[in-house]
This record gives sequence, structure tokens and C-alpha cells, in this order.
Amino acid sequence: GAGVSQSPSNKVTEKGKDVELRCDPISGHTALYWYRQSLGQGLEFLIYFQGNSAPDKSGLPSDRFSAERTGGSVSTLTIQRTQQEDSAVYLCASSFAGYEQFFGPGTRLTVL
Amino acid sequence: SQQGEEDPQALSIQEGENATMNCSYKTSINNLQWYRQNSGRGLVHLILIRSNEREKHSGRLRVTLDTSKKSSSLLITASRAADTASYFCATDRGSTLGRLYFGRGTQLTVWP
Repeated sequence: GAGVSQSPSNKVTEKGKDVELRCDPISGHTALYWYRQSLGQGLEFLIYFQGNSAPDKSGLPSDRFSAERTGGSVSTLTIQRTQQEDSAVYLCASSFAGYEQFFGPGTRLTVL
Repeated sequence: SQQGEEDPQALSIQEGENATMNCSYKTSINNLQWYRQNSGRGLVHLILIRSNEREKHSGRLRVTLDTSKKSSSLLITASRAADTASYFCATDRGSTLGRLYFGRGTQLTVWP
């Protein structure tokens, strides 16, 4: 596709359940980023993948959060044992050469 | 913590007026970027200004950068109702790794 895609666009889950969020970056982009945005807030960095280097996980809020990027392309963000405070819009972005980031439409996660 | 701090937090103007938003940051940077977000979904890249540049134009957008004051401004001339959105600045904090640090944004409302 021409842009970054994310799925699902909306996810409603019950507290304690695990969720997986998917990101398909722009083909050829070497860097992939995950951010979280709570209502009315700015973007909170979660994790960053660059090529074959070890990911920068410094933004993950707890060990319930993990992400992987398979084959240098698609990425999955997994949240285990979801809590209500995990409710937010999760945004994925990709870039080439680390400058302009192209964002996907986001996944709105609601934890009941 | 947020790197960029935009002000004002909210701005309401009439169509045809100019809108000015400001961003301050705390560390050295390689570049500063402005993004726009509609309805809490994906962000769209507007403009990137490098640390050795003082002013940049793109259509109705004008961005200035004052590295001595660690501040930037985004001017939208002849605003339109379609410019209604949240506007974020983002910096790299001097890193070449590609990670961006976003502010909380300015919510711009343009009334027809």
C-alpha cells in the first residue's frame, strides 16, 4: 500500500485480556515506531525499531507491553493483561533515514 | 517528559485570519518538525526545519526557528475551516537515531 496501515482500527477488550495491534509500514522504510496517545494528550513514545539493530524499548510503560518486528517489515504490539489505563490510541509510524515520519491511522483501544 | 511545549494550548480564529503557534524545547536539536492531527488519529508531517535554518515556507505555512532561544513558530496564513486540527512540534534532542519527542500540541479551531 501507499501508506502505513494499522489494524484493527478499533479494539474493545475486557480488563485482563491480551491484545495484539498490527502495523504495516511503508515498503522500504527501515525505521518503525510505536506511540501511544491518551485523550487530549501528546504522543508518548513506546518503542523504536531500526533495521537489524536491537530495538529501543525505553518507552514501554511496563513489562506487560512488548513488540516485535518480523522480517524488517510488519510489527505487532502486544499488551498482556490489559488495564483500563491502557485505553488510548496506539499510533505506528515508519520512516526512511530517520527524518520525516509517516503515521498510520491508529488503533483506538478501549479496555472495559 | 515532553520535549516540545506548544503554546497556546488552544487557539480559535476566524477564516482568513493568520494563526501563530509556538514551540519551545530544552536541548540541542538537529531538526524540528511540525505535524498536524485531525480528530485524534494519524499525524501528517507538515514541515521540517534544520538547526542551521532560520525560516522555511511551504504553501501557506511559515516556520521559524531560533536556536538561541530554543523556540520555533508555525504561522498559517489566510486560515481556512479545513485547517482546524491539532498541531504538534517534535524534536530529535540532537540524536540521529530517528526517535522524535512530541509536545502536547495546540488545538486550532478556525470558524467559517
